[in-house]
Amino acid sequence: QQQVKQSPQSLIVQKGGISIINCAYENTAFDYFPWYQQFPGKGPALLIAIRPDVSEKKEGRFTISFNKSAKQFSLHIMDSQPGDSATYFCAAAATGNQFYFGTGTSLTVIP
Amino acid sequence: NAGVMQNPRHLVRRRGQEARLRCSPMKGHSHVYWYRQLPEEGLKFMVYLQKENIIDESGMPKERFSAEFPKEGPSILRIQQVVRGDSAAYFCASRLGVNTEAFFGQGTRLTVV
Repeated sequence: QQQVKQSPQSLIVQKGGISIINCAYENTAFDYFPWYQQFPGKGPALLIAIRPDVSEKKEGRFTISFNKSAKQFSLHIMDSQPGDSATYFCAAAATGNQFYFGTGTSLTVIP
Repeated sequence: NAGVMQNPRHLVRRRGQEARLRCSPMKGHSHVYWYRQLPEEGLKFMVYLQKENIIDESGMPKERFSAEFPKEGPSILRIQQVVRGDSAAYFCASRLGVNTEAFFGQGTRLTVV
């Protein structure tokens, strides 16, 4: 059973546009929600993370929106750039436990 | 502050041989996770260790796979009698504590021929 459901599987965005990736979870014990960026042949790199006590967190062009009641969270990449082309994974974890990852979104930003 | 170090980066083994993957966590980090990734797929949890203890091994196959994180030295993921289906990228991540950020290494790409 997939603990974290991620969509879309792939995404194509024009340079300068907004990329939006969505994730949903069921386990209400999850209290930490990170996003990772992975380039081919590399390890996942922590991008931004949020805890359920806030509804939004912004770091530069990256924003996480969190809806606790709907058990959903999303990553918004503003002013998307070709260098943002990568695979993005959402994840969720309960304190002291493993991370459950989404299936990933392959983002392509067209110049 | 060096990141999570994994070695080797690439490992080729013949069927039936043993594979040993090493992970040195970030300085001060005592929590280590191992994940496996198949091409075009997500990260699948294998095992969670905290210095000298296995906390959760629910994702680890019961046979041929083992992991350790000794008091001194790196964490080791050991795969005995490898088969073609073990070919994958294996990543480890480390955390300072149970409620802090997790950082991944660059992975070990295992190819079984």
